[in-house]
Amino acid sequence: DTAVSQTPKYLVTQMGNDKSIKCEQNLGHDTMYWYKQDSKKFLKIMFSYNNKELIINETVPNRFSPKSPDKAHLNLHINSLELGDSAVYFCASSHRKTQYFGPGTRLLVL
Amino acid sequence: KNEVEQSPQNLTAQEGEFITINCSYSVGISALHWLQQHPGGGIVSLFMLSSGKKKHGRLIATINIQEKHSSLHITASHPRDSAVYICAVQEGNEKLTFGTGTRLTIIP
Repeated sequence: DTAVSQTPKYLVTQMGNDKSIKCEQNLGHDTMYWYKQDSKKFLKIMFSYNNKELIINETVPNRFSPKSPDKAHLNLHINSLELGDSAVYFCASSHRKTQYFGPGTRLLVL
Repeated sequence: KNEVEQSPQNLTAQEGEFITINCSYSVGISALHWLQQHPGGGIVSLFMLSSGKKKHGRLIATINIQEKHSSLHITASHPRDSAVYICAVQEGNEKLTFGTGTRLTIIP
């Protein structure tokens, strides 16, 4: 029933660790996104994929690597986590420009 | 780079009041989005518009392309409307640029 799902919902980890966040959409959309929402609640786009192909890559550190195994999935892998990576990460998909957001993954780096 | 400004940043009103939230942007766009983020954190798309006006229940969104300005109106506001409302503009390549959000609190 869930349209855009993300796992995990919460992620607490130590600095320097590597972690992944998974996203899946069952809406049949071609375009998927990763957004970061900082502590001031400001949203910023990180990546966008269209049919498994990277189309937007904002100025995001190389430690962040998105992977789209198929058009229903867009995962985010983060290497060498830093304190500043603490944020809420939202996955989304779109159809005719309307955005459908996942519930978010709250990442806390200690 | 598109600059997106929202006003006010915070808005507190009594139940039943008519609410207006404004959004202005600096560069031509293909679409403008209004999003709602509830205290629980989830984000819902309210409207996507490229011209004119759209209405959904008690919510109305308008856009003036020439003036690069959009407004979100809520009629007969209710405490359940309390949320952060975010304006986002979309340029041709799918990229969304977000405003800083308006925190709305409706007091019973």
